[in-house]
Amino acid sequence: DAGVIQSPRHEVTEMGQEVTLRCKPISGHNSLFWYRQTMMRGLELLIYFNNNVPIDDSGMPEDRFSAKMPNASFSTLKIQPSEPRDSAVYFCASHWGGGTGELFFGEGSRLTVL
Amino acid sequence: DQQVKQNSPSLSVQEGRISILNCDYTNSMFDYFLWYKKYPAEGPTFLISISSIKDKNEDGRFTVFLNKSAKHLSLHIVPSQPGDSAVYFCAASAYGDMRFGAGTRLTVKP
Repeated sequence: DAGVIQSPRHEVTEMGQEVTLRCKPISGHNSLFWYRQTMMRGLELLIYFNNNVPIDDSGMPEDRFSAKMPNASFSTLKIQPSEPRDSAVYFCASHWGGGTGELFFGEGSRLTVL
Repeated sequence: DQQVKQNSPSLSVQEGRISILNCDYTNSMFDYFLWYKKYPAEGPTFLISISSIKDKNEDGRFTVFLNKSAKHLSLHIVPSQPGDSAVYFCAASAYGDMRFGAGTRLTVKP
């Protein structure tokens, strides 16, 4: 079975450019999470969706960040305009809502903003 | 606001000995606690969990202990193996979301 698929794996861009990160959750999972990993704060929850509806976006750092989930199989995280401090690894994760709710993570998108 | 805290950024142990990773939390509404393991260039993978109604859960070499009154949990790995070297994240869940700590890098020396 395919796991959570993220793209791109690596992105290098210049300050001020728009960045779009993409995620395809595991089929049948009804919750999707976006996290940002930094050395100082570990895995920060940015936003999560349940049945394609954003439930909590309080972790989105600024208005420059936005996330959408137009259907159950696709989500995007957009940064516009990007800044050097946005450089991090961004993870997408999904789960099916039952059991202990353990998340299944993608391999991450490493973003470098110059 | 860090609701889940791992105060030790790193831990080094000898192969065959016990590794103890600690985690504290502040939100008393958390009802599930989980540990994830992360290797470089990979996403975190689920390791073991515990419900808030329990105080211990064991799976092979891994045991998680929960002390609700202290808002503290720990992961014990015994015996530790070099392949256990990774970053370990503590996580807690309430109402569908999941919050993570900053992680502890475990190094198991042969």
